[in-house]
Amino acid sequence: DVKVTQSSRYLVKRTGEKVFLECVQDMDHENMFWYRQDPGLGLRLIYFSYDVKMKEKGDIPEGYSVSREKKERFSLILESASTNQTSMYLCASSLFSLVRPRNNEQFFGPGTRLTVL
Amino acid sequence: QQPVQSPQAVILREGEDAVINCSSSKALYSVHWYRQKHGEAPVFLMILLKGGEQKGHDKISASFNEKKQQSSLYLTASQLSYSGTYFCGTEPLSGNTGKLIFGQGTTLQVKP
Repeated sequence: DVKVTQSSRYLVKRTGEKVFLECVQDMDHENMFWYRQDPGLGLRLIYFSYDVKMKEKGDIPEGYSVSREKKERFSLILESASTNQTSMYLCASSLFSLVRPRNNEQFFGPGTRLTVL
Repeated sequence: QQPVQSPQAVILREGEDAVINCSSSKALYSVHWYRQKHGEAPVFLMILLKGGEQKGHDKISASFNEKKQQSSLYLTASQLSYSGTYFCGTEPLSGNTGKLIFGQGTTLQVKP
C-alpha cells in the first residue's frame, strides 16, 4: 500500500519559533510537493522538488524554505513562524517523466494542522 | 491563475445528480480531479488528457474541452459516500514539470 506520511497531525508553535514539517514517501517518486490548504483558497503550492537537492518555488514561497537531502524525504521549514502561517499543510508526491502522456497522479499525506500562537 | 471551480458548494439528496465545473485561463495539457473527505487526504479520482476525452469511474465521470480550457465532473445518482470537497488540478500546456495548479474546491454534501 503506497504511502505518504507526515510527521505530525497537529502542531502548536509560538510566533518566532523555527518549525520543521517532515514528509516521507515510500513510492520512489521523484516529485514531491508542499501545499497549504485554507478555506476558500484550495490547495496552494509552496515549494516543489523534482530531485534530491533540487527545488522550485511555488505560488506562495514567502516565509518558507525546503530541504530534500534524500529522495524519500521532503521537509518544509518555517524560519520564523507567524500567526498568518496557521494553516493545514499537505505534502504530496508523484512520478516524474518528461515524456507525455504520463501518469503524474499525486499521492497526498494526511496533513499537518499547524497553529501559530 | 488558479482555475475557477463552480459551484463553490452544493447540497444534494441521495440519488440526485451534480456537475462541478473547472475553468482555466491557460491552455491546458491535462486536468486531474481529486476528492477530499473530511479530515482525510485528497484522493485521486481521474486524469483527463488533451484531446477532449471523457472518462468514467463508476457513477463519476468527467469531460475535458481543451478548446474552452474547461473540465466538468459529473456525479450521477449520488451516494452518501460522495460527500467531500472536490478539487480540479490543471497542468498547463507549457512547462513540463508535472506541477498542478489546483482550484479552490467545491464542497459537496449528500443528505439521506
